[in-house]
Amino acid sequence: NAGVTQTPKFQVLKTGQSMTLQCAQDMNHEYMSWYRQDPGMGLRLIHYSVGAGITDQGEVPNGYNVSRSTTEDFPLRLLSAAPSQTSVYFCASTDLPRDRRNEQYFGPGTRLTVT
Amino acid sequence: ILNVEQSPQSLHVQEGDSTNFTCSFPSSNFYALHWYRWETAKSPEALFVMTLNGDEKKKGRISATLNTKEGYSYLYIKGSQPEDSATYLCAGPVNTGTASKLTFGTGTRLQVTL
Repeated sequence: NAGVTQTPKFQVLKTGQSMTLQCAQDMNHEYMSWYRQDPGMGLRLIHYSVGAGITDQGEVPNGYNVSRSTTEDFPLRLLSAAPSQTSVYFCASTDLPRDRRNEQYFGPGTRLTVT
Repeated sequence: ILNVEQSPQSLHVQEGDSTNFTCSFPSSNFYALHWYRWETAKSPEALFVMTLNGDEKKKGRISATLNTKEGYSYLYIKGSQPEDSATYLCAGPVNTGTASKLTFGTGTRLQVTL
């Protein structure tokens, strides 16, 4: 199993550009999520999905879109990049927990800089 | 406590020292507390998921305890080694009815030197 994969690893964008961060998992996990990590802020949830066709907003969703057309893939789209979106982005997945105890598996992260 | 809070923010110990840090979380509607270990330039990896009051979990030299009534968990590292240097994150579901909508603390950054 490759686990959770993310591409690209690094990206530099100019303000106003759009792009898609890719995330895929091969563990047949129902639940997938996107976090951003900023200094002193910990990991903050952007969007999450509990299964194909179902997505919902997290703590900091503005400026981002997601879709979940398959169980494996959960891309994150930046519609019009802003310097405030400079961050490290992590994708995570887990089994949809029956008793809410399942650990999350994280991808390697995408470091995004918006100039 | 309205959020997940960790202390201290950072810690610097010598090799061989034992250390511990704290995660505080809302005690109402509790059902799980996660601990993750996050090395620089890598992705977070799960250490423990704890659910029961009084729970104690252990993995090698690292152990954790849980008090759900007062809303805290302690992570202990016995005989710290340089390879223990990492940021330790705790996470819990806060103010949500969704199972895995975790709220992460800001972490405790541990540095172990020779």
